[in-house]
Amino acid sequence: GDSVTQMEGPVTLSEEAFLTINCTYTATGYPSLFWYVQYPGEGLQLLLKATKADDKGSNKGFEATYRKETTSFHLEKGSVQVSDSAVYFCALINFGNEKLTFGTGTRLTIIP
Amino acid sequence: GAVVSQHPSRVICKSGTSVKIECRSLDFQATTMFWYRQFPKQSLMLMATSNEGSKATYEQGVEKDKFLINHASLTLSTLTVTSAHPEDSSFYICSASRDRSNEKLFFGSGTQLSVL
Repeated sequence: GDSVTQMEGPVTLSEEAFLTINCTYTATGYPSLFWYVQYPGEGLQLLLKATKADDKGSNKGFEATYRKETTSFHLEKGSVQVSDSAVYFCALINFGNEKLTFGTGTRLTIIP
Repeated sequence: GAVVSQHPSRVICKSGTSVKIECRSLDFQATTMFWYRQFPKQSLMLMATSNEGSKATYEQGVEKDKFLINHASLTLSTLTVTSAHPEDSSFYICSASRDRSNEKLFFGSGTQLSVL
């Protein structure tokens, strides 16, 4: 079946550091890929998405590129802020299935 | 943006009791609601999918008699953990979809259930 593997946390970085959170997937066909973010005390929110190979999703300075050849969708940000501290989930939805498959989540803490 | 309210955020109960978790879409009508659970260091796992007015569809391995889902209206779904045991302690989270593609989901903030 479909699965998503993302790097284990927690990840702690200093403000303005470069961020990468790795995500790889296993799926048949051509899934859509997502990054969700959960800030403390809030529900998951869609951060960005990509629906086909080589698409780049971006939002709030975060980017992720759909790489079919490496089945990856790594999340990156050039300069993180304290307000980026949250849990980040990589996910996919495979049409025909229409259900989100999530990774384990990665807790990110940014220290000033 | 759309808001999904999930209540309670945290509950502690004794073994053998039942616990009800509510999930409400506050400003839209949800065609479908989903219930997930997450154990520490594991993925969010889909438990069941519910459509208003019909029986929930449970994922393989989820006991439907233990996890009762009621989707009585387009804005409210409830999950009742019946006769809870310590192994049911987990993080439960709901989401609601406002269209049939299910690509855009709105999530509640989750409920941490601890069964003593």
